[in-house]
Amino acid sequence: QKEVEQDPGPLSVPEGAIVSLNCTYSNSAFQYFMWYRQYSRKGPELLMYTYSSGNKEDGRFTAQVDKSSKYISLFIRDSQPSDSATYLCAMSVNTGNQFYFGTGTSLTVIP
Amino acid sequence: DTGVSQDPRHKITKRGQNVTFRCDPISEHNRLYWYRQTLGQGPEFLTYFQNEAQLEKSRLLSDRFSAERPKGSFSTLEIQRTEQGDSAMYLCASSPRGGDTDWTQYFGPGTRLLVL
Repeated sequence: QKEVEQDPGPLSVPEGAIVSLNCTYSNSAFQYFMWYRQYSRKGPELLMYTYSSGNKEDGRFTAQVDKSSKYISLFIRDSQPSDSATYLCAMSVNTGNQFYFGTGTSLTVIP
Repeated sequence: DTGVSQDPRHKITKRGQNVTFRCDPISEHNRLYWYRQTLGQGPEFLTYFQNEAQLEKSRLLSDRFSAERPKGSFSTLEIQRTEQGDSAMYLCASSPRGGDTDWTQYFGPGTRLLVL
């Protein structure tokens, strides 16, 4: 079983829709969670990061962590065509350790 | 711009040749990570430095791979006797000291390697 599971999609939504992206994980010791956006042939770009459980909001993006269910989510409100990219979740036990990534979900926002 | 930089951005080599990649982290970051990413997959951890000390290595890092970070600044990743299976994007990331405020990883643009 992989440490982090993420549905690869692809996910296609109309402009303005609310997008929900999710990851599940198996290691209950994970405490640090991140979401990255990656455009084709580019390095990952940090979107959100959270520690432990709870919600964090930044503009149109909301990150949620449910440690009891080992489940994290990223919500994108009022999605735009420029949001079309692959979204990667990542997590770690400690800040000094390696981060484990999901496979990424490919999102297309249709104008 | 003070982001993570990587050089070269692209490398094509023949099987059996050696290649070396360079990563320059964000200047005040003392942690540096190397990852490998293949098509349709997330980044896979290779190795991690805190300052000049290599603290963690993945089992993915075979004897043909070596990484250094002299003086705790830039880092190099060398692959000896390249194989076609080494073809991938090699990503470098850096991170501040840690703690409660800023512990996450910032990635460079990557070096795309193609082994013929």
